[in-house]
Amino acid sequence: RKEVEQDPGPFNVPEGATVAFNCTYSNSASQSFFWYRQDCRKEPKLLMSVYSSGNEDGRFTAQLNRASQYISLLIRDSKLSDSATYLCVVNSGAGSYQLTFGKGTKLSVIP
Amino acid sequence: DGGITQSPKYLFRKEGQNVTLSCEQNLNHDAMYWYRQDPGQGLRLIYYSQIVNDFQKGDIAEGYSVSREKKESFPLTVTSAQKNPTAFYLCASSDGYGYEQYFGPGTRLTVT
Repeated sequence: RKEVEQDPGPFNVPEGATVAFNCTYSNSASQSFFWYRQDCRKEPKLLMSVYSSGNEDGRFTAQLNRASQYISLLIRDSKLSDSATYLCVVNSGAGSYQLTFGKGTKLSVIP
Repeated sequence: DGGITQSPKYLFRKEGQNVTLSCEQNLNHDAMYWYRQDPGQGLRLIYYSQIVNDFQKGDIAEGYSVSREKKESFPLTVTSAQKNPTAFYLCASSDGYGYEQYFGPGTRLTVT
């Protein structure tokens, strides 16, 4: 079965801390990779796409290791507003419309 | 504003009744999707549609039906055959395969 595995957490970190989330995927044919965030009882929202070369958006850095089938998300200088569940998402293969969602890692940033 | 709308936000039904959840998008996306999320669980794909008048079953299609008569609309019917229909239902759309999906605000369905 094609799956996306994430540490469920919760990760409880103080404001200003750096936190890293990891994710592994089993489908070597996957070509698109994303991180979404989901607030409690809300819809998932795209945080960032993940590119082979790695990419950064402000305090957020995503990296992809295709050889190890591993994706990471680093959040620097954590804010209270970063508290959410972070979903690792991978497409189901070349030409596939389907995305496979991890169950998410819950982050709580504490004052 | 471009986006995806789902209605209603909360829906209550008695067991044995069919119920239809609405999903509309004005993003001009070709592909649309329906997911189900249960507490503490990941999203599971119910049905998806790549183009008007075409749709495919996802991982958990049993007890559900869809239609795609217009590009903007992809309604989901939860039938009485669905054994555990109480869940958070999310509709999404994308510009094509491999692209990110954008979600509507969801409908919380409770069946008693």
